[in-house]
Amino acid sequence: ETGVTQTPRHLVMGMTNKKSLKCEQHLGHNAMYWYKQSAKKPLELMFVYNFKEQTENNSVPSRFSPECPNSSHLFLHLHTLQPEDSALYLCASSHPGTSGREQFFGPGTRLTVL
Amino acid sequence: RKEVEQDPGPFNVPEGATVAFNCTYSNSASQSFFWYRQDCRKEPKLLMSVYSSGNEDGRFTAQLNRASQYISLLIRDSKLSDSATYLCVVIPDSGYALNFGKGTSLLVTP
Repeated sequence: ETGVTQTPRHLVMGMTNKKSLKCEQHLGHNAMYWYKQSAKKPLELMFVYNFKEQTENNSVPSRFSPECPNSSHLFLHLHTLQPEDSALYLCASSHPGTSGREQFFGPGTRLTVL
Repeated sequence: RKEVEQDPGPFNVPEGATVAFNCTYSNSASQSFFWYRQDCRKEPKLLMSVYSSGNEDGRFTAQLNRASQYISLLIRDSKLSDSATYLCVVIPDSGYALNFGKGTSLLVTP
């Protein structure tokens, strides 16, 4: 498989809950990404981490809070989400300096906000 | 104007047919181009990179036209297993963002 794992695979949460998504990559990459994929919309980049430092925040609401404790792990902390945040959240990794480099995706977490 | 535009389809073709998808992009400074494939309820996976000179990988041929800012993917001798959504991906001249199109859905039928 791709070497990028995500947990949980499915998550249902209420608007007042706090939950976290976890991503782990076993590919020796130093860049990691969070994407959101909603129905009938293109994949949207949310955050980029390069050597554990956040290098891009694509105007994401503060109710999404990323954390990258090391180059292999990436978290997305969720709190007070809205129903429109329901989507597939994909983690990806690549070598740094990624222009022209392949990104490897995890299987995603399918999130439903009630 | 959207950064990357694709015809969503669906394209329904019989096995053995040849099918072509196009994708247009708005940022003329874009540097890198790819086709990704996404199966139903699965993650996207790289299908092939797209080079200015055009490139081929088995039954798949990708072309880039910088002047017209479009990318194409040609699939020859379609197989049932080619049924998927094909995502056009463009990387701008700076940053790490991959700009994805919405994808083109292909269904190959027996």
